[in-house]
Amino acid sequence: DAKTTQPNSMESNEEEPVHLPCNHSTISGTDYIHWYRQLPSQGPEYVIHGLTSNVNNRMASLAIAEDRKSSTLILHRATLRDAAVYYCILRDLGFKTIFGAGTRLFVKA
Amino acid sequence: DTAVSQTPKYLVTQMGNDKSIKCEQNLGHDTMYWYKQDSKKFLKIMFSYNNKELIINETVPNRFSPKSPDKAHLNLHINSLELGDSAVYFCASSHSPGTYNSPLHFGNGTRLTVT
Repeated sequence: DAKTTQPNSMESNEEEPVHLPCNHSTISGTDYIHWYRQLPSQGPEYVIHGLTSNVNNRMASLAIAEDRKSSTLILHRATLRDAAVYYCILRDLGFKTIFGAGTRLFVKA
Repeated sequence: DTAVSQTPKYLVTQMGNDKSIKCEQNLGHDTMYWYKQDSKKFLKIMFSYNNKELIINETVPNRFSPKSPDKAHLNLHINSLELGDSAVYFCASSHSPGTYNSPLHFGNGTRLTVT
């Protein structure tokens, strides 16, 4: 079973920031928090990951709660091309990475 | 310069047939995976291979037989295809999870339709 919970869907306006939440209350010390997104008819695409500290890259920012039981993916300025399903997953030192249902992000022009 | 490539992109076949899907990665990764995404869009892990060795077999029927001839390839052969096998199959690769926390890189999927 997936170890994360996310809202089924969210909506955003173009050019505005988007905060996608993820709860992972059973996270263990060796779990990294990964975010992927899946555009229509494509494979999942890596977005960002982190362990304890907040992370930034060219695609997004990842804010991790101090207790690590939740995290937020931040898209600073949503575009129509950001409409996708966003998956928050926990990746440990094992070989079995489980995906949940994700959040479908709708972006309005 | 495709990182993870799968062939074919589409596969339409009849029940009872045997088919194969090929996957190749040029990222130098030593771990490869097969995932299945059904009509409800859930991504389920099927197999994990590390250095050509099977690590995870997630209760997949024996009709599914992965083969890894080398670290850059992980093929999936399916015998006696059933209607319920219709799905999109994704290949992925990464460095060994224990080395450092390497992201997964996915191919663009193979849409299998069994009629």
